[in-house]
Amino acid sequence: RKEVEQDPGPFNVPEGATVAFNCTYSNSASQSFFWYRQDCRKEPKLLMSVYSSGNEDGRFTAQLNRASQYISLLIRDSKLSDSATYLCVVNLYSSASKIIFGSGTRLSIRP
Amino acid sequence: NAGVTQTPKFQVLKTGQSMTLQCAQDMNHNSMYWYRQDPGMGLRLIYYSASEGTTDKGEVPNGYNVSRLNKREFSLRLESAAPSQTSVYFCASSEAGGNYEQYFGPGTRLTVT
Repeated sequence: RKEVEQDPGPFNVPEGATVAFNCTYSNSASQSFFWYRQDCRKEPKLLMSVYSSGNEDGRFTAQLNRASQYISLLIRDSKLSDSATYLCVVNLYSSASKIIFGSGTRLSIRP
Repeated sequence: NAGVTQTPKFQVLKTGQSMTLQCAQDMNHNSMYWYRQDPGMGLRLIYYSASEGTTDKGEVPNGYNVSRLNKREFSLRLESAAPSQTSVYFCASSEAGGNYEQYFGPGTRLTVT
């Protein structure tokens, strides 16, 4: 089983829709969690950290479920510019050597 | 404030050639990383430097060497390039400790023929 698993998609949704995707992780000792966004042929960029209490940044909401070992990302009122690949990242043991990236979920927003 | 910069952006090598990928950051971060990204796979850690003066192997270190030249710069060297090293290489930096939120450079697209 992969340490961090994501549905590769693609998710193809109309502009204005709400879309959500999950990421599961295998190690219950995982300490910190992130969502990154990666545009085609570009570098990953930090979208948001995921806190135990959940957190929201504008149209984006991230949740952590430690009992079921997954994190989620919800995008409301999706824009064309949200089209990208979303990478789930998990840090085991709060260590520089244990930052694990998922393979990403591809999101395409259509007009 | 340029963030993380990488050179070159593109490179084509023949099998057996060597090259060094350069990375620099101006965020005063202690930790720096080298990743490779292949189609359909997540980023895989090649080497990292938790702080100036230290380097450690990541998940896929074979065929690579690194140098943490100073706090700002972290280079990746391919001594004898192989077609399996065709990939996109990203350098990243973060504060040491805490959540390790990483900031990435624009990447180097390397093709080995």
